[in-house]
Amino acid sequence: EAQVTQNPRYLITVTGKKLTVTCSQNMNHEYMSWYRQDPGLGLRQIYYSMNVEVTDKGDVPEGYKVSRKEKRNFPLILESPSPNQTSLYFCASGRSTGTGQADTQYFGPGTRLTVL
Amino acid sequence: EDKVVQSPLSLVVHEGDTVTLNCSYEVTNFRSLLWYKQEKKAPTFLFMLTSSGIEKKSGRLSSILDKKELSSILNITATQTGDSAIYLCALSQGAQKLVFGQGTRLTINP
Repeated sequence: EAQVTQNPRYLITVTGKKLTVTCSQNMNHEYMSWYRQDPGLGLRQIYYSMNVEVTDKGDVPEGYKVSRKEKRNFPLILESPSPNQTSLYFCASGRSTGTGQADTQYFGPGTRLTVL
Repeated sequence: EDKVVQSPLSLVVHEGDTVTLNCSYEVTNFRSLLWYKQEKKAPTFLFMLTSSGIEKKSGRLSSILDKKELSSILNITATQTGDSAIYLCALSQGAQKLVFGQGTRLTINP
């Protein structure tokens, strides 16, 4: 089954304790992306990746890191989480249309993170 | 600054009604406009629009883009309770850079 998976689905942690949220897709998509969703603010892009070893900042990259060592995986790293990073996080992946534009994106189930 | 604005933010209607959701945008380097439906979990893809004036249709849902007015509408006819969700509009600026609107929360009452 074609899907995007994220782990963990729920996480409660404390300020400053490094954490990683994993994202994996089995559709051989070139593009992957991370979003956070907050009430009243909608979905905001954190980082995206156009292919292996190619990543770029989205609109809210501060406090986050990503890596793309393999095509299928795109982990999101919070080196020193803070309470303002409490949010619902989504990973997404998409195909390339061949013109440099991403086709529709498929979203993972989400990770609800609480930082105390 | 790139911006996507959806209206209304919230809408409550009765089953069987027809609804129209709006999305207007101010972005540089427009590539396509996408609509997503979000129920209790991840957004699911509905439509991608790239050309002005061409309607995309899927069952009771349809959408059209107006590049001159920098806007798009999503229509849902004969609404059902299962249509209750948040509807998200997003602009693609190339590659995977997406800018989302705040979403419209649609509630269909039986």
